[in-house]
Amino acid sequence: QQQVKQSPQSLIVQKGGISIINCAYENTAFDYFPWYQQFPGKGPALLIAIRPDVSEKKEGRFTISFNKSAKQFSLHIMDSQPGDSATYFCAAPGGYQKVTFGIGTKLQVIP
Amino acid sequence: NAGVTQTPKFQVLKTGQSMTLQCAQDMNHEYMSWYRQDPGMGLRLIHYSVGAGITDQGEVPNGYNVSRSTTEDFPLRLLSAAPSQTSVYFCASRRTGYNYGYTFGSGTRLTVV
Repeated sequence: QQQVKQSPQSLIVQKGGISIINCAYENTAFDYFPWYQQFPGKGPALLIAIRPDVSEKKEGRFTISFNKSAKQFSLHIMDSQPGDSATYFCAAPGGYQKVTFGIGTKLQVIP
Repeated sequence: NAGVTQTPKFQVLKTGQSMTLQCAQDMNHEYMSWYRQDPGMGLRLIHYSVGAGITDQGEVPNGYNVSRSTTEDFPLRLLSAAPSQTSVYFCASRRTGYNYGYTFGSGTRLTVV
């Protein structure tokens, strides 16, 4: 069973700051690493994903950085806004047709 | 498109009762799965299906059954509810293959007393 270690579990960032969430995985023969965003009372929603043939992918204020040799990938939220306050999950392929999620990071952006 | 629809949104059961959580998707996704979300535990896979008639166990399958008679529907059955099954349950679907993200339902909050 693939293990995905996500940190930190909680994060408080001031408005306009950079939020950084990290994930480490063990092994995978498959290359697709997504991040999901979940607001209270809602289901997770796909935010951004990367295939490790590139080291970085940027969509608006959200960037994934990928380090294949270290088996790590991270989510950077630039110019963090109060509306970004949510729980963020990383995920990695966990075996045949399975996906393993990280434990989640609760982000709070304060004005 | 409605996406992934879960019913009910809330449910209270007594220990020993059985019930079925419904999940339907209208995106013609081959892959469907059930996760439970508990504080400090993240999302844990209960069962999954790669197509009609094909199901398999995930990380925490005990106490749950599934079936997949159509592409659209993937119900989760609790056989004899226990307080340990108090959780938020999410159904998710995606296209088969590793390069596709999940579409999640809005969840069912289940309390077993």
